[in-house]
Amino acid sequence: GESVGLHLPTLSVQEGDNSIINCAYSNSASDYFIWYKQESGKGPQFIIDIRSNMDKRQGQRVTVLLNKTVKHLSLQIAATQPGDSAVYFCAERQIKAAGNKLTFGGGTRVLVKP
Amino acid sequence: DAMVIQNPRYQVTQFGKPVTLSCSQTLNHNVMYWYQQKSSQAPKLLFHYYDKDFNNEADTPDNFQSRRPNTSFCFLDIRSPGLGDAAMYLCATSRGREQFFGPGTRLTVL
Repeated sequence: GESVGLHLPTLSVQEGDNSIINCAYSNSASDYFIWYKQESGKGPQFIIDIRSNMDKRQGQRVTVLLNKTVKHLSLQIAATQPGDSAVYFCAERQIKAAGNKLTFGGGTRVLVKP
Repeated sequence: DAMVIQNPRYQVTQFGKPVTLSCSQTLNHNVMYWYQQKSSQAPKLLFHYYDKDFNNEADTPDNFQSRRPNTSFCFLDIRSPGLGDAAMYLCATSRGREQFFGPGTRLTVL
């Protein structure tokens, strides 16, 4: 079936460095791709999303890149801070699906070293 | 602040004893979702309500039921919890593009 998956389960990064989290997807019909951050004991929190007709979108300290040719999604975090330590999930949404359902990828844990 | 609230945050039940988890929202969103999230895994959608219309995922066990008496509240009923149902249960809402998640209820089955 269709799925969204991640390459790296854990990413250890030095405070102040940039982080890159990768995600592979397989459903070409998805209209939106979303990144969520989940801190321990909390629900996922929306970070940024990107439409399927875009290649890049920037937010505050975060950039999402979409490469539709190879079905690859990445999240770049600039100047990683201790508060960025969390699990990051990519998700895809088929906007025409009932209820705008999300399919989540497997998650990457980011550990920020002081 | 508008938000998604889940009660209780931690729930302990016995094997086979029915349990109900609650979710409420002040966002007035028309769609509400229930996800199951096991340790170190991604959230898995169980079902969602689009207004009053219930939409079950094909692989959601019959053991899981849901009720939505009004726009603000949604309940997850587990009729006979098994050890494999121990997980974090997340409620989310949306009106369109973005889903807003509650803090989750961690269910322990003894």
